[in-house]
Amino acid sequence: GQNIDQPTEMTATEGAIVQINCTYQTSGFNGLFWYQQHAGEAPTFLSYNVLDGLEEKGRFSSFLSRSKGYSYLLLKELQMKDSASYLCAVKDSNYQLIWGAGTKLIIKP
Amino acid sequence: GAVVSQHPSWVICKSGTSVKIECRSLDFQATTMFWYRQFPKQSLMLMATSNEGSKATYEQGVEKDKFLINHASLTLSTLTVTSAHPEDSSFYICSASGTGGVTEAFFGQGTRLTVV
Repeated sequence: GQNIDQPTEMTATEGAIVQINCTYQTSGFNGLFWYQQHAGEAPTFLSYNVLDGLEEKGRFSSFLSRSKGYSYLLLKELQMKDSASYLCAVKDSNYQLIWGAGTKLIIKP
Repeated sequence: GAVVSQHPSWVICKSGTSVKIECRSLDFQATTMFWYRQFPKQSLMLMATSNEGSKATYEQGVEKDKFLINHASLTLSTLTVTSAHPEDSSFYICSASGTGGVTEAFFGQGTRLTVV
């Protein structure tokens, strides 16, 4: 079956750096996405990786290793507003998005 | 980025009634729209995929006669929850992808449905 694993919850301090890992096993691979979701709201797009390596976008970076079925989202200079759930999703061979359960990130002052 | 508008953002209805949720792509043609359901503290669960002008493809376990999906144009898809029951109370989210190399899915704002 298809499976995406990410930690359930993480805690970090304002101003620090946090890395959220995601491992996947899917039928085919057509890209990996990271989304941010605040409680009661729809997800918002953060990043997209289809080739191995690091994609940097401001305070957020995302890394992909297709051979290892592994990705991480790196958040720098954490702000209180970064408290949210972070969803990892993979497009499979049918171009369907398969979602991880999400990682709830708690930022403490 | 592209905008997807979902309406209503929240609705309360009586058990046994039907509720229609609209999902519109405002600045691009959405050839494919996806409907998700999300229960508290759980991940997004795909309910169905609809392509403009054709019947929706439902995920296993989703009753197509209960969750009616219509994708009549390239900018509008609707989800109707028929004969709603309290267990249908959930957060429903649509997303759309279009043509021209759009890679990510754009999400509507979501609809919080409460059936009493």
